[in-house]
Amino acid sequence: QQQVKQSPQSLIVQKGGISIINCAYENTAFDYFPWYQQFPGKGPALLIAIRPDVSEKKEGRFTISFNKSAKQFSLHIMDSQPGDSATYFCAASKPGTYKYIFGTGTRLKVLA
Amino acid sequence: GAVVSQHPSWVICKSGTSVKIECRSLDFQATTMFWYRQFPKQSLMLMATSNEGSKATYEQGVEKDKFLINHASLTLSTLTVTSAHPEDSSFYICSARPGTGFPYTYFGPGTRLTVT
Repeated sequence: QQQVKQSPQSLIVQKGGISIINCAYENTAFDYFPWYQQFPGKGPALLIAIRPDVSEKKEGRFTISFNKSAKQFSLHIMDSQPGDSATYFCAASKPGTYKYIFGTGTRLKVLA
Repeated sequence: GAVVSQHPSWVICKSGTSVKIECRSLDFQATTMFWYRQFPKQSLMLMATSNEGSKATYEQGVEKDKFLINHASLTLSTLTVTSAHPEDSSFYICSARPGTGFPYTYFGPGTRLTVT
């Protein structure tokens, strides 16, 4: 119930393509779903986040799609660039806790 | 944007010794700080939550006597790994929450601990 399942484990995309990473959760008590980007040897950086009352949120090239009934959410990176090559983590938290349950991570490589 | 720093960025210590890692929120007051642990090519696992002026709350399976956490002020939390062993070698990352009304937390750059 506490897990957040993330797929794929790794992803290779051509420059200019769309990168799509998916996450699924079981616990309906989760109410906050952020996505983080992490470069090797660095801490995670917040990319974008969404709450269950919204089905989609877009910030620049990054879009979160949220399907509450299916308990799934995904990150779309439009016009992917080599600089986007990093590990991406989805996460979820319950109201008032601010403790994140992280997905297993997706290593994205964007080919020039 | 909000900045969280960690010191040191990397540390090597001998087995049996203790090492302290600092986490500071540089431009905001953090009512709550979190400590995560990340093994190579793996996800982040929450170790403990600390609130300023109170005892830390540890996640199940985390030895509180081994990983001592102190949140002495609104801008500083420390993690001390006591009697470190090679299996404690990991990437330790803190995060800080600015306060009520903020659902997100800011992560520090991490500290690489290697125990020889």
